[in-house]
Amino acid sequence: DGGITQSPKYLFRKEGQNVTLSCEQNLNHDAMYWYRQDPGQGLRLIYYSQIVNDFQKGDIAEGYSVSREKKESFPLTVTSAQKNPTAFYLCASSLHWEGRNSPLHFGNGTRLTVT
Amino acid sequence: AQKITQTQPGMFVQEKEAVTLDCTYDTSDQSYGLFWYKQPSSGEMIFLIYQGSYDEQNATEGRYSLNFQKARKSANLVISASQLGDSAMYFCAMRESLSYNQGGKLIFGQGTELSVKP
Repeated sequence: DGGITQSPKYLFRKEGQNVTLSCEQNLNHDAMYWYRQDPGQGLRLIYYSQIVNDFQKGDIAEGYSVSREKKESFPLTVTSAQKNPTAFYLCASSLHWEGRNSPLHFGNGTRLTVT
Repeated sequence: AQKITQTQPGMFVQEKEAVTLDCTYDTSDQSYGLFWYKQPSSGEMIFLIYQGSYDEQNATEGRYSLNFQKARKSANLVISASQLGDSAMYFCAMRESLSYNQGGKLIFGQGTELSVKP
């Protein structure tokens, strides 16, 4: 079955450590996105990538980094510079970035807790 | 300024009744798309319905329909014959201009938590 796989589902880290969240898709989608969700809040965009080897900052990119070396993969690194990293992280993909009616397909999310 | 506004943090509806979840948006683009997603307590985001700004008819998908009023910039989701499984967070989202730099990203509202009572 095609879909987006995020791993792990739950992640615990000590403050000051970098951590990388995995996102893999086998939908052959061009565009991929990372969103952050805090309790009772909507989704805020961290980074997005329209094509391989290119990505752009979203609204809350500070303290995060990404790479897009393969079409299928878009890992997100939460660095120690991110002041409030504890959150629910959602990865998404879209067939084409320029398809107006093309919905985002989401993974099941990673819940990161930093203590 | 908020691009997407959902003014109802929480809503209750009796099973088998219809419910309307409000969404207003702000854009200066003439061409844009509006989406609704459902997020159960498990966390996954489920795409429900899409409305294009140039679509003449309101979108429908099964029990979901969109009450699209372009002049008022509102795109309310109507769920008919509510079921217990409809209890979840519901998010309205918008895709604006399709420049490369915008990347097809969606802007989300704060969400409405719907509870269906038996």
